[in-house]
Amino acid sequence: EIQLQESGPGLVKPSQSLSLTCSVTGYTITSGYDWSWIRKFPGNKMEWMGYISYSGSTNYNPSLKSRISITRDTSKNQFFLQLNSVTTEDTATYYCARETMGIMVDYWGQGVMVTVSS
Amino acid sequence: DIVMTQGALPNPVPSGESASITCQSSKSLLHSNGKTYLNWYLQRPGQSPQLLIYWMSTRASGVSDRFSGSGSGTDFTLKISSVEAEDVGVYYCQQFLEYPLTFGSGTKLEIK
Repeated sequence: EIQLQESGPGLVKPSQSLSLTCSVTGYTITSGYDWSWIRKFPGNKMEWMGYISYSGSTNYNPSLKSRISITRDTSKNQFFLQLNSVTTEDTATYYCARETMGIMVDYWGQGVMVTVSS
Repeated sequence: DIVMTQGALPNPVPSGESASITCQSSKSLLHSNGKTYLNWYLQRPGQSPQLLIYWMSTRASGVSDRFSGSGSGTDFTLKISSVEAEDVGVYYCQQFLEYPLTFGSGTKLEIK
């Protein structure tokens, strides 16, 4: 069964970069699908951040386009999120997920809570 | 971006009663292929979101038939018949017609 697991620091200082890793087991990320990052803010608002496809192309939310980068390490079957110049408004729980056939998000990681604070 | 607007529930809902959650989109989610790209997810307390319904009315694998989705191009309803304790959580609608993907603000279900 496919499993996704996020990891990374739970606390980031304002103006610094947030870096998270998603480790995927049970499926090779270069075999298919789009691999995305989605975040949930305090108060339940959810925001799709972007994805990296199985071929390595990326698609980002225009609201984040100048600050976000999604990359991958195919040898480790991992993909990564980097969000630059964070502010307290980036405090959220971050999920990595799999998008299927342009239809649905069918697998989610457990999420990692990231607080931006000095 | 497509704006998704969700309605609230008259919480708490008595166990065994039905509950309906509404969602509206700012643009029709009906694709030229005849499919409506509207999904429903449930996030139970302490868990990650779980796909319930895709293409507006198709239940995801393993989802109880107590959950059903319906609607038009811009107005949608998730109905939960005979609510149970395990249905507690926050329900989200999401459009998958175009990027950026967008979600509704979430509807909380509490059981009495």
